[in-house]
Amino acid sequence: QVHLVQSGAEVERPGASVRVSCKASGYTFTGNYIHWVRQAPGQGLEWMGWINPNTGGTNYAQKFQVRVTMTSDTSISTFYMELGTLRSDDTAVYYCARAFSTLHYYFDYWGQGTLVTVSS
Amino acid sequence: DIQMTQSPSTLSASVGDRVTITCRASQTISTWLAWYQQKPGKAPKLLIYEASTLESGVPSRFSGSGSGTEFTLTISSLQPEDFATYYCQQYNSYGITFGQGTRLEIK
Repeated sequence: QVHLVQSGAEVERPGASVRVSCKASGYTFTGNYIHWVRQAPGQGLEWMGWINPNTGGTNYAQKFQVRVTMTSDTSISTFYMELGTLRSDDTAVYYCARAFSTLHYYFDYWGQGTLVTVSS
Repeated sequence: DIQMTQSPSTLSASVGDRVTITCRASQTISTWLAWYQQKPGKAPKLLIYEASTLESGVPSRFSGSGSGTEFTLTISSLQPEDFATYYCQQYNSYGITFGQGTRLEIK
């Protein structure tokens, strides 16, 4: 069965960077794009972007274009999302989510979420 | 980006009730719409995709309809486990967007 297991909670200072990992199992690693979605406390879902594990190609939401980097490591079936120049309003739970297909970007499997707290 | 507007923001209902949540897109998205259920402290769970296709394992009391700019999620007979927050999501364009959510609470 498909599993996406994310790294643990992080606490970072404003201006720092954070890297969240997402280890995939139970399916062909290169078969599906992985997207990242975040959720601030008590708020809704916000899409950040995707990575194609086949090519390493990415597409980022304009809001995060200059601060986010999504990568993947096929050798260990793991995806990464790095967000830089952190601000307090980046405090959120960050999810990785598998897109059903390369044409249909709805999310059939999600990681458990990683809480990133930005505080001085 | 395409804006998604859900209504209502909060819905109070009782076990056994039939409820409907609406999602409107700021421009046409054909049927490229999904619905998710989220419970506190948990990741969202896919319920419906392509506006009306039920995800495997999801109870048949959930149904979706609509196309273009207006969509609905209906729960035919609320069960205790259905009290949660529901989100719509459009995937018509590269800029994926979610509705702001509808919190379904016990009356």
